[in-house]
Amino acid sequence: AQSVTQLDSQVPVFEEAPVELRCNYSSSVSVYLFWYVQYPNQGLQLLLKYLSGSTLVESINGFEAEFNKSQTSFHLRKPSVHISDTAEYFCAVNGGSQGNLIFGKGTKLSVKP
Amino acid sequence: DGGITQSPKYLFRKEGQNVTLSCEQNLNHDAMYWYRQDPGQGLRLIYYSQIVNDFQKGDIAEGYSVSREKKESFPLTVTSAQKNPTAFYLCASSLLAGGETDTQYFGPGTRLTVL
Repeated sequence: AQSVTQLDSQVPVFEEAPVELRCNYSSSVSVYLFWYVQYPNQGLQLLLKYLSGSTLVESINGFEAEFNKSQTSFHLRKPSVHISDTAEYFCAVNGGSQGNLIFGKGTKLSVKP
Repeated sequence: DGGITQSPKYLFRKEGQNVTLSCEQNLNHDAMYWYRQDPGQGLRLIYYSQIVNDFQKGDIAEGYSVSREKKESFPLTVTSAQKNPTAFYLCASSLLAGGETDTQYFGPGTRLTVL
């Protein structure tokens, strides 16, 4: 069965600093990877996803993630964070033919002024 | 606006009571899902449905029940058999049944507290 490991439960950073949120997945034949963001007391919103093709995927708000097959990783990065990026971030992998997602335990990003 | 609505936003339940959480979508999506979120645990799949009148158990279905009588609706009942129901419940939908590459769209969630 697929699984996802998010290595850091909390990541505090200062505003305008770079950040990397780490995600590793269990290897499988067909892997589709997702990053979702959750603001306090809200549902999840898709940030970006990797399905195939270019291993670097970008979101509209400056985040990017790189699919690394050899290291089974899909780390999320942003070169300069804003206060508004404070949220919890979830990495997920496809769960199989039922279409569900398997989520990591989440990383809380806290951006300080 | 297209999207997923969940109600109520907050729900309080006494021990021994059954409660039903509502989930409605107007995205014309085939598949719908219920997840439970606990602090530091990520999201865990309770039930999912790929088509009307059909649904399957997820990883933590014990103490929960669902129905899918209409394409747009997928209510979740938390029964008294659920030992620790206090959690944040999220409903999601995706376009195609079994679509592994589909984006899942989430509702705003219902926070259930057992008193």
